Amino acid sequence: GENVEQHPSTLSVQEGDSAVIKCTYSDSASNYFPWYKQELGKRPQLIIDIRSNVGEKKDQRIAVTLNKTAKHFSLHITETQPEDSAVYFCAASRGNTDKLIFGTGTRLQVFP
Amino acid sequence: EAQVTQNPRYLITVTGKKLTVTCSQNMNHEYMSWYRQDPGLGLRQIYYSMNVEVTDKGDVPEGYKVSRKEKRNFPLILESPSPNQTSLYFCASRPYSNTADIQYFGAGTRLSVL
Repeated sequence: GENVEQHPSTLSVQEGDSAVIKCTYSDSASNYFPWYKQELGKRPQLIIDIRSNVGEKKDQRIAVTLNKTAKHFSLHITETQPEDSAVYFCAASRGNTDKLIFGTGTRLQVFP
Repeated sequence: EAQVTQNPRYLITVTGKKLTVTCSQNMNHEYMSWYRQDPGLGLRQIYYSMNVEVTDKGDVPEGYKVSRKEKRNFPLILESPSPNQTSLYFCASRPYSNTADIQYFGAGTRLSVL
């Protein structure tokens, strides 16, 4: 079955710097890759997703890139702010009825 | 307002005492799931349901049961809870479509089994 590895497990950056979180997946049939942000004590919420027919997607300060050949995808956050501090989860799915397999999460801390 | 509602939000119980965590969604979604979240392990799927009366095991189903008698409800049942089921539980739902779609999570249920 699908396996998703996520790195790093913790990441500390200075406010204004960029942050990059990387995930690799094992199932070449996976075609949907969402990223969820979970603030302390809150539920996971989708922040951006990408499907396998595109290589990059941007939404303001966040972007996701996908390399299907290497089977990895990354979350990029630019101009980080303290409110970006949270746990971020990547996930992969073959779409349709298939389940989402989550990475183990990255705790991002942005210091003022 | 579109939402997934879980109850209770917090629960402390003792080993062996049966409990049910309820989950309800008002978006007419076909697909519903239960996850548990543990430190360092991320979100792991317990059970999922693709529609009424259709349920299947996820990655960590041992010790849990579910039912899907109505489209909106997907309760999680622990017949005989044990301390290793102490965890944070999330219910989630999404539409059943030809392309994967956004999954909506409930607010979570923090369960402690003593």
